[in-house]
Amino acid sequence: DTEVTQTPKHLVMGMTNKKSLKCEQHMGHRAMYWYKQKAKKPPELMFVYSYEKLSINESVPSRFSPECPNSSLLNLHLHALQPEDSALYLCASSQVAGVDQPQHFGDGTRLSIL
Amino acid sequence: RKEVEQDPGPFNVPEGATVAFNCTYSNSASQSFFWYRQDCRKEPKLLMSVYSSGNEDGRFTAQLNRASQYISLLIRDSKLSDSATYLCAALNQGGKLIFGQGTELSVKP
Repeated sequence: DTEVTQTPKHLVMGMTNKKSLKCEQHMGHRAMYWYKQKAKKPPELMFVYSYEKLSINESVPSRFSPECPNSSLLNLHLHALQPEDSALYLCASSQVAGVDQPQHFGDGTRLSIL
Repeated sequence: RKEVEQDPGPFNVPEGATVAFNCTYSNSASQSFFWYRQDCRKEPKLLMSVYSSGNEDGRFTAQLNRASQYISLLIRDSKLSDSATYLCAALNQGGKLIFGQGTELSVKP
């Protein structure tokens, strides 16, 4: 069982909808991440939060808006998405964002944009 | 050139075979390396961290060669349950994890 919990597991939304993806971990990790994975491709980093502060934004379009309310929670707010944004969105966490710290992934939210 | 490159696969091997995956990385500042396993429509699961001295966990052995910027994963006595995609990953400054494109392994009876 994964120790990083993501909700919802599946999400279908129209291009004008606003929705949020949620991620939670209770391992005391201080770094959390969002990745996007398209079919038959590896995960690609979107955002890194370190001690609840955004430390890396991989030039992600503003229609994706991350939020870290506290050290256990990470949200990804979605607005006006495009069909090409359909993908598996993975949350991960690690003790800190740095050397020798493996990242542990949640089981993802499968997002479809109509 | 991709920052992390893997053997393209797929690898189709019989049960009991030994299979090796290789991965090269181009960023000499990469600090740590990992192998993940990903089953179809599931999340990546950490298989092993990779250390310069090499490390072994049961049937799995990982090696790192910093001089050649190369990491490897060896699976001995393959099981049907080893069938999955294997992803190598390099960890850069600030927690930026860069994955290779993944190698699909299919173990047949």
